[in-house]
Amino acid sequence: EDQVTQSPEALRLQEGESSSLNCSYTVSGLRGLFWYRQDPGKGPEFLFTLYSAGEEKEKERLKATLTKKESFLHITAPKPEDSATYLCAVQGGGNKLTFGTGTQLKVEL
Amino acid sequence: EPEVTQTPSHQVTQMGQEVILRCVPISNHLYFYWYRQILGQKVEFLVSFYNNEISEKSEIFDDQFSVERPDGSNFTLKIRSTKLEDSAMYFCASSKQETQYFGPGTRLLVL
Repeated sequence: EDQVTQSPEALRLQEGESSSLNCSYTVSGLRGLFWYRQDPGKGPEFLFTLYSAGEEKEKERLKATLTKKESFLHITAPKPEDSATYLCAVQGGGNKLTFGTGTQLKVEL
Repeated sequence: EPEVTQTPSHQVTQMGQEVILRCVPISNHLYFYWYRQILGQKVEFLVSFYNNEISEKSEIFDDQFSVERPDGSNFTLKIRSTKLEDSAMYFCASSKQETQYFGPGTRLLVL
């Protein structure tokens, strides 16, 4: 059974204070690892897809990396508008996504 | 930019009633999904749908649930005889390949 564990559960940063979110996973035959952003009461918003170990993707202040056991979402110089819950999900055999519980990020001025 | 849309945004129903949640996937996508998120919990897979049939379903997706693509644009989730524990956000998603794009969700409250 596919499993995803995210840490920390919650993270409070000052504006400009860079940090990383962790996603550890176990899956039989990784087809893709996905990062989503979720604002309160909204649907997950797609950020990145990573397919193989060593791959990296960047978008504005966010950078996602992947190893054979975990993925990191690096946030460089965050702003208050980056405050959200960040979800990690894996896709193994089949099309379903298995999600972690997310990291709730709060960026303060 | 194309988006997945869902209606209604909120639905309140009495226990035992049937509800139909509606979704319009992105137009050139071929795979459709339903997920749910109980308040404070993780997003959970319910069912995937391809080529007019269910391709995969979870243990949650029992005989109480059904899905349908009644026409070329809509994708529906029917929940029969709703229970209190069906209260959750229900998300529709669609994909062309691996990456799934989610709708804004329907908040279902069963009283």
